[in-house]
Amino acid sequence: GAVVSQHPSWVICKSGTSVKIECRSLDFQATTMFWYRQFPKQSLMLMATSNEGSKATYEQGVEKDKFLINHASLTLSTLTVTSAHPEDSSFYICSAPLAASTDTQYFGPGTRLTVL
Amino acid sequence: GENVEQHPSTLSVQEGDSAVIKCTYSDSASNYFPWYKQELGKRPQLIIDIRSNVGEKKDQRIAVTLNKTAKHFSLHITETQPEDSAVYFCAASIGGGNQFYFGTGTSLTVIP
Repeated sequence: GAVVSQHPSWVICKSGTSVKIECRSLDFQATTMFWYRQFPKQSLMLMATSNEGSKATYEQGVEKDKFLINHASLTLSTLTVTSAHPEDSSFYICSAPLAASTDTQYFGPGTRLTVL
Repeated sequence: GENVEQHPSTLSVQEGDSAVIKCTYSDSASNYFPWYKQELGKRPQLIIDIRSNVGEKKDQRIAVTLNKTAKHFSLHITETQPEDSAVYFCAASIGGGNQFYFGTGTSLTVIP
């Protein structure tokens, strides 16, 4: 099946710094990718839709200036958590549909962010 | 936007028994309903899905039913095994490569 990777798999950073997380579709092109956030023992909450070549669409309540999303190519979307704080510590997961018209999506392995 | 509710939040069953997890959704435009199994710290794994033009789908020990009129769908696992223990999430989407909205999750424990 299709493969989506994320890098890094885990990261620890100091409060106030910025962290970039990459999501790559390895064997298919993804014009759209999705970013989710998952706190311990909670569900996956959709943060934003990443659109190749255009601005991301953010869900209500998600600060677009804090969570910067860039989808510069058909195989790469990045999420930058700016001025990270301990409350941003979470598991961030991306997903991508195999094609624009397909229902099935492929998830990345996730990135564990810990902000000290 | 879409709101997906899931029950129960925790479920314990004896090995060999059946487990049922239920979800409701709010957006009548949703027409794709996948179920995911997630182990701690790992990505969600698709276990079964159903589209709105189908009322039931089965894959070995796993089945999903959909009542589009009532806006609810359920996951049924028969002959449960200890390796079925995990967190299960339902989701709803309008399909066609659009975003998923997930339920709150069910932690299933199968007791040997």
